[in-house]
Amino acid sequence: EDQVTQSPEALRLQEGESSSLNCSYTVSGLRGLFWYRQDPGKGPEFLFTLYSAGEEKEKERLKATLTKKESFLHITAPKPEDSATYLCAVQAGNTDKLIFGTGTRLQVFP
Amino acid sequence: GAVVSQHPSWVICKSGTSVKIECRSLDFQATTMFWYRQFPKQSLMLMATSNEGSKATYEQGVEKDKFLINHASLTLSTLTVTSAHPEDSSFYICSARETVNQPQHFGDGTRLSIL
Repeated sequence: EDQVTQSPEALRLQEGESSSLNCSYTVSGLRGLFWYRQDPGKGPEFLFTLYSAGEEKEKERLKATLTKKESFLHITAPKPEDSATYLCAVQAGNTDKLIFGTGTRLQVFP
Repeated sequence: GAVVSQHPSWVICKSGTSVKIECRSLDFQATTMFWYRQFPKQSLMLMATSNEGSKATYEQGVEKDKFLINHASLTLSTLTVTSAHPEDSSFYICSARETVNQPQHFGDGTRLSIL
């Protein structure tokens, strides 16, 4: 069964304190792994798509990496405006369906 | 770019009424649209997938007659919750995708409360 597990469930950081979020997955034929940011009461905002092991993508303070079993979202020198829930999702090779993890709720304090 | 608008953002209605939610892709043509449901502190659960001009494909356990989906154009899909009851109260989110190689872009959701 295709499955996505995110850790930690919640993370509190001081402004400037870098850290990483983990997304472990099992899927039959990975077609793509997606990272989204979700603010309270809003829909997810697309961040990155990763397709194959070894791939990396960056956007401002965020960097996503991918291996055959997991993905990391690295946050460098975070700011309070980075506070949000970060969602990971995978798409299996034979479907249109995204399977989401339950997210990591990030809080960055000044 | 890739803006998806969902309306209404919030609705309260009495048990037994039907509620329609609209999802529009504003700056691209969405060949495929998706409807999700999200409970507090839980992941998004896909309810159905719809392709323009075709019948929606529902996930296992989702009642087709209760959650009516129409995708009549490349920019608009609607979800109608028929004869809504309190257990249907949830956060409903749509997404749209231009092509199979593009990511899904999400609307801001509709908070549905059935009294």
